[in-house]
Amino acid sequence: QVQLVQSGAEVKKPGASVTVSCKTSGYTFIDYYIHWVRQAPGQGLEWLGWINPKRGTTDSAPKFLARVTMTSDTPINTAYMQLNSLRSDDTAVYYCARGGPPYADRAPYHIWGHGTMVTVSS
Amino acid sequence: DIVMTQSPDSLAVSLGERATINCKSSQTVLHRSNNKSYLAWYQQKPGQPPKLLIYQASTRESGVPDRFSGSGSGTDFTLTISSLQAEDVAVYYCQQYYGSPETFGQGTKVEIK
Repeated sequence: QVQLVQSGAEVKKPGASVTVSCKTSGYTFIDYYIHWVRQAPGQGLEWLGWINPKRGTTDSAPKFLARVTMTSDTPINTAYMQLNSLRSDDTAVYYCARGGPPYADRAPYHIWGHGTMVTVSS
Repeated sequence: DIVMTQSPDSLAVSLGERATINCKSSQTVLHRSNNKSYLAWYQQKPGQPPKLLIYQASTRESGVPDRFSGSGSGTDFTLTISSLQAEDVAVYYCQQYYGSPETFGQGTKVEIK
């Protein structure tokens, strides 16, 4: 079955960077977008952006454009999200989620990873 | 950005009764060329990732009980739980995937009265 397995929890200091991985299985990795969404403690959902794993193209929310880098490693079916210049308000659970196929109709996120807790604290 | 506003922020419903959540977008999310509204509903329980319930405003995801239904088009949408069950206690989010950045409503917490 389709699975997205994320890396473990991270604790970082302000100003540092964090990289979260999302290892996929059960489908053809390059055939679907991967989206990144975060959720601060007790708060709602916030979209960071997506990556097209086949082409490596990305789209990011303007709020994160300067600080987020999304990449993919197609031989190991894994997507990565790096967030730089961390602040305390970046403390959140970060989710990866599978979107739709590129060049097809827009799609919601049918499958989600379990989430990765990132804590930013001095 | 398209702002998604849900109402109410929370509601308490008796078991077996109807729960209704509204979602309004600041711009249309209707794609006129195919008459599809790119609006989804998710359910999130504590400690779990969101789960897709409804997409294209009214299409139920495979495996989702038929007591969940979605309606609306353009800018105004509704999620209805026809007969609330104990396992439906959760926070519900609407999301537009029409335009970038993709945006979510603030969430509606559903509890048992």
